[in-house]
Amino acid sequence: GAVVSQHPSRVICKSGTSVKIECRSLDFQATTMFWYRQFPKQSLMLMATSNEGSKATYEQGVEKDKFLINHASLTLSTLTVTSAHPEDSSFYICSANPLGGGYGYTFGSGTRLTVV
Amino acid sequence: TQLLEQSPQFLSIQEGENLTVYCNSSSVFSSLQWYRQEPGEGPVLLVTVVTGGEVKKLKRLTFQFGDARKDSSLHITAAQPGDTGLYLCAAHNYGQNFVFGPGTRLSVLP
Repeated sequence: GAVVSQHPSRVICKSGTSVKIECRSLDFQATTMFWYRQFPKQSLMLMATSNEGSKATYEQGVEKDKFLINHASLTLSTLTVTSAHPEDSSFYICSANPLGGGYGYTFGSGTRLTVV
Repeated sequence: TQLLEQSPQFLSIQEGENLTVYCNSSSVFSSLQWYRQEPGEGPVLLVTVVTGGEVKKLKRLTFQFGDARKDSSLHITAAQPGDTGLYLCAAHNYGQNFVFGPGTRLSVLP
């Protein structure tokens, strides 16, 4: 079945530094990937839609300059949290839609970001 | 904006009990999915339903899509501790992104 690999699974960084999270589709091509943020005991909040070869589409309230998304190939999307602050600490999850349409998402295993 | 509501928000039951969780909306959807998420992991797709009135079974889990394609239920028979997790419904319409519900957090006690 379709697999989405996300790396790293956990990262701790200092305030003011930047962190890059990678999301790869291992056995299918993904022209579109989705980035979510999840706070403890809450549901998923869509941050942005990553489009291969073009600019990402950000949800209202998500800072484009803060959360940089690059989708340079059909199998890799990256999310870079720039100038991280403690309030950016969260669980970040990526997903893709291998079959397209309404067949459901395949999610990565998530990245736990802690900014100290 | 299409919104999904899920109920109950939290549920704690004993092993062996049956339970039903619900996903409701005022909007009609072309498809609906149920996911289970365990702590520290990404959600895992359990099922996709696309036809009004459709019923799908996955071992002890029974999923139903409402006739009007606005709601869905998930019934678990003889719950086990391994069923513990966050159950998320997500719905989709053509040309639009998926919308996720807030989730039902299930705890099955041994």
